[in-house]
Amino acid sequence: GENVEQHPSTLSVQEGDSAVIKCTYSDSASNYFPWYKQELGKRPQLIIDIRSNVGEKKDQRIAVTLNKTAKHFSLHITETQPEDSAVYFCAASRIPTFGRGTSLIVHP
Amino acid sequence: SAVISQKPSRDICQRGTSLTIQCQVDSQVTMMFWYRQQPGQSLTLIATANQGSEATYESGFVIDKFPISRPNLTFSTLTVSNMSPEDSSIYLCSVGGSATNEKLFFGSGTQLSVL
Repeated sequence: GENVEQHPSTLSVQEGDSAVIKCTYSDSASNYFPWYKQELGKRPQLIIDIRSNVGEKKDQRIAVTLNKTAKHFSLHITETQPEDSAVYFCAASRIPTFGRGTSLIVHP
Repeated sequence: SAVISQKPSRDICQRGTSLTIQCQVDSQVTMMFWYRQQPGQSLTLIATANQGSEATYESGFVIDKFPISRPNLTFSTLTVSNMSPEDSSIYLCSVGGSATNEKLFFGSGTQLSVL
């Protein structure tokens, strides 16, 4: 089955800085890579996703890049704000296997 | 996106009892899954709920412990049977399919505490 590795486990940044979270996957057949944001006590919310026929996708301050050859994908958040503080999960495959999560802390 | 209603939102149960969690979607979805999220941890797939047939369980999860029903394309239940404190966790249903443009969305979760 699929195996997803995610790092870092914790990321602390100052407001306005950029944040990058990286994931690798094992199954070369995986073709769908979503990212979820989970605030404390709430459900995971889909924030962006990318399919394997695309190398990069942007949505305002959030972008995701995919390198199929290397089997890794990354989430980029620019101009971070305190409300970006949450746990972020990457996932791979149509039946998602999740990474361990990254706790992002944005200091005002 | 689909509107997902999951209940109960939380429950406190006694050891040895069973709890059934319901997941209702406002549109027909091809994919319905059940995940478990232990405190401070990631999401672990329990099983895929298949409409009209037995669920497909992931390694480490068995039907006797986590029976699942899916009578139609908008509804599923997960039962946590013969509970022990180790079953204390958040259980989440997730749905996806053409109605959600193949994107996967989550219910609000059921926080289960077993005494």
